[in-house]
Amino acid sequence: AQKVTQAQTEISVVEKEDVTLDCVYETRDTTYYLFWYKQPPSGELVFLIRRNSFDEQNEISGRYSWNFQKSTSSFNFTITASQVVDSAVYFCALSDSGNTPLVFGKGTRLSVIA
Amino acid sequence: DTEVTQTPKHLVMGMTNKKSLKCEQHMGHRAMYWYKQKAKKPPELMFVYSYEKLSINESVPSRFSPECPNSSLLNLHLHALQPEDSALYLCASSQDRLAADEQFFGPGTRLTVL
Repeated sequence: AQKVTQAQTEISVVEKEDVTLDCVYETRDTTYYLFWYKQPPSGELVFLIRRNSFDEQNEISGRYSWNFQKSTSSFNFTITASQVVDSAVYFCALSDSGNTPLVFGKGTRLSVIA
Repeated sequence: DTEVTQTPKHLVMGMTNKKSLKCEQHMGHRAMYWYKQKAKKPPELMFVYSYEKLSINESVPSRFSPECPNSSLLNLHLHALQPEDSALYLCASSQDRLAADEQFFGPGTRLTVL
């Protein structure tokens, strides 16, 4: 069965600090896709990244970077030099090769304090 | 146009009312979704439409009735709701129902049932 675990419920950092959000997943499939979404207070989920199981290259997009490690079933997300606008709930999600729905983790609430 | 729109933004209804939530996308996506999100929880999938046909109903009570009039529109008809149905209702769309397809979410409708 699929499962996504985000062990950090809430994180609070001071602006300009780096912060890493952890995501650990479980699946029996060899082909699967991992996603990160951001949900600001306005409510809309914003797609951040998709990674397939065959591509273990880390990715960087501006202040955001993602570390995918199949050996530990983790897909962690790092924000460098955090800003107040990064305050949101971040969800990690998993989709396998079948027709099963997207499985979300419970989310990590990030508060960046000025 | 990479936007999913939802109306209304807020809705307050009594338990005997009938109301509808509307969702629209003009990205040519063929899969559309309804999610329910309670406070401090991840989104929970309710329904999936693929090519205008209902493909997943996650055991949702019959007081929620989805409708897909065409490939751009998705409605959720509400009748005889309970106070515990109060939540943020999110609509999403994706290119197809493939595991690789990222979902684009609307801003949601905040529903309060009195």
